[in-house]
Amino acid sequence: NFMLTQPHSVSESPGKTVTISCTRSSGGIASNYVQWYQQRPGSVPTPVIFEHNRRPSGVPDRFSGSIDSSSNSASLTISGLQAEDEADYYCQSYDSANHGVFGGGTKLTVL
Amino acid sequence: QVQLQESGPGLVKPSETLSLSCTVSGGSVRSNSYDWSWIRQPPGKGLEWIGNFYFSGSTNYNPSLKSRVTISLVTSKNQISLKLTSVTAADTAVYYCARAQRYCESGSCFVVGFDPWGQGTLVTVPS
Repeated sequence: NFMLTQPHSVSESPGKTVTISCTRSSGGIASNYVQWYQQRPGSVPTPVIFEHNRRPSGVPDRFSGSIDSSSNSASLTISGLQAEDEADYYCQSYDSANHGVFGGGTKLTVL
Repeated sequence: QVQLQESGPGLVKPSETLSLSCTVSGGSVRSNSYDWSWIRQPPGKGLEWIGNFYFSGSTNYNPSLKSRVTISLVTSKNQISLKLTSVTAADTAVYYCARAQRYCESGSCFVVGFDPWGQGTLVTVPS
């Protein structure tokens, strides 16, 4: 199995761009799709990125996902930060046995 | 529009069995278009995948919980059931059910993600 490691917290000012990383401990990041979920305080996790870089319907194009094989990591980038983007963000993937794997989560603070 | 709602006891005694139901509306739990999952989140902590129920009837569980967990369908009630035996305080969490997002390639299908999620239900196991 593998782990997904995220920074504990990130912060940025409104209008700026922030990137949250998710590093896979073993096996290639491209081997299995990575998803990203947003969880606002007291709310249910909702997907913002599927399959590395696909936005679900209704998610603004300020959200984008990518992977980098050289660093074996996935990234969630949020541009034009808004106060409503303040939330916890979780990356998620699965292993070859189709066991789900979540990252530890990153708290995004919009200053 | 598929919607999910979890229900069950909010308090379970140590060593007993946690039993939750997830009622699905807007779709059938028996549909071969859907797989289903359970995920939990201890208070103030991150998400943990519990397991999947595939449309084929097979299941797949988190290895750390495998000996204690059962996911099944209650088709007469359009529900997905979760049972977790021998609970301890470490099982205290918000439990979510979710529809699994399936990806198929070369004849093999995988659960890749989860959408939508239910509202979640808090289950407390006192220490």
